[in-house]
Amino acid sequence: DTAVSQTPKYLVTQMGNDKSIKCEQNLGHDTMYWYKQDSKKFLKIMFSYNNKELIINETVPNRFSPKSPDKAHLNLHINSLELGDSAVYFCASSQEARAGYGYTFGSGTRLTVV
Amino acid sequence: AQSVTQLDSQVPVFEEAPVELRCNYSSSVSVYLFWYVQYPNQGLQLLLKYLSGSTLVKGINGFEAEFNKSQTSFHLRKPSVHISDTAEYFCAVGGNKLVFGAGTILRVKS
Repeated sequence: DTAVSQTPKYLVTQMGNDKSIKCEQNLGHDTMYWYKQDSKKFLKIMFSYNNKELIINETVPNRFSPKSPDKAHLNLHINSLELGDSAVYFCASSQEARAGYGYTFGSGTRLTVV
Repeated sequence: AQSVTQLDSQVPVFEEAPVELRCNYSSSVSVYLFWYVQYPNQGLQLLLKYLSGSTLVKGINGFEAEFNKSQTSFHLRKPSVHISDTAEYFCAVGGNKLVFGAGTILRVKS
């Protein structure tokens, strides 16, 4: 059983399109995150939800909209995709909204905008 | 604010040699420190973490790290590396979120 699963694993799309990435965790964790890993492998947090409530919203264009229908799911919708959105997006979860518990990461979604 | 500096972008080492990957952090709050490993085309896997207590932390795959508060460092070490340790290693500091360093690529050569 995969603890944190993301779909799709690969996503190739044209500029201007709208796309979604889905994430599900079966660990019973309360908190979920989206991280972006750019071409230089630098990881930066985008959003965090705790029990469906948004608790971290970094400086991210408002074309990115996270949605958490329940505490086991956190989806990421991206409108009007741009070339610079090409990256690997990682979903993660933790037991509580404190990093001391450590995060469990999904395997990533590689988004390529052409 | 929290930040992490990984001092080496790449570390080449021969198989069975020891290795140290260096990490310095900055944090204005209680410090939680982590090392994650990322194998090619995979997600991040937790190697070890420091929350409190003993400054020497042992993790998976024979890795260990030492928390040094005075030098604000959390260097990762392994006494004898294997080819399979070739990967990218990320140091991270956490409070209400994890802040990652830029990563260090460990290349183990035969």
